Amino acid sequence: GAVVSQHPSRVICKSGTSVKIECRSLDFQATTMFWYRQFPKQSLMLMATSNEGSKATYEQGVEKDKFLINHASLTLSTLTVTSAHPEDSSFYICSAAPGTGAYEQYFGPGTRLTVT
Amino acid sequence: DAKTTQPPSMDCAEGRAANLPCNHSTISGNEYVYWYRQIHSQGPQYIIHGLKNNETNEMASLIITEDRKSSTLILPHATLRDTAVYYCIVSFRGSSNTGKLIFGQGTTLQVKP
Repeated sequence: GAVVSQHPSRVICKSGTSVKIECRSLDFQATTMFWYRQFPKQSLMLMATSNEGSKATYEQGVEKDKFLINHASLTLSTLTVTSAHPEDSSFYICSAAPGTGAYEQYFGPGTRLTVT
Repeated sequence: DAKTTQPPSMDCAEGRAANLPCNHSTISGNEYVYWYRQIHSQGPQYIIHGLKNNETNEMASLIITEDRKSSTLILPHATLRDTAVYYCIVSFRGSSNTGKLIFGQGTTLQVKP
């Protein structure tokens, strides 16, 4: 149980285009989902927290107009990287918390974004 | 959120217990200690969490000192598949929300044959 999927697993896009990444909780409802990014040989950096049906809360320094987050249902959150640039190339990982006030988070396998 | 300090790397022999320390001297009373691990190029995996008492599950044991300023994650019989980066994270959890996780640099555990 507690499986989180991400799609796509890898994506290559051209500079200036937008890319959408999906995060799904497959066997539980996730009131809260989180988005992280991870550069090579670095730790995960929290980008934003999204709650179903409400606007996402972004961490300091993360541009909300560039990284659009939609948490439209209890099993799906999407991250759209708008007008992508090479410096946005990174490993994007989502996590989902089962239910309200859950202790643990379950992470997706990650999406490798390369912007050329 | 309270910060944590972990050694950057550790080695462990296969089959032996791996003891991973973590300092969290600024932890507050309502913050939990969480452990996650990340195997190369994968999403992190939840291991265990605790508040005050020691905890054990099928993956590991968590020993928290009485003053809660430090903890130790114990993998009782390490295997090669346990080679990963282990993150100790302190986070608040409310009754109506799940606390966010702020990842530090973690400890790279290398299990050797």
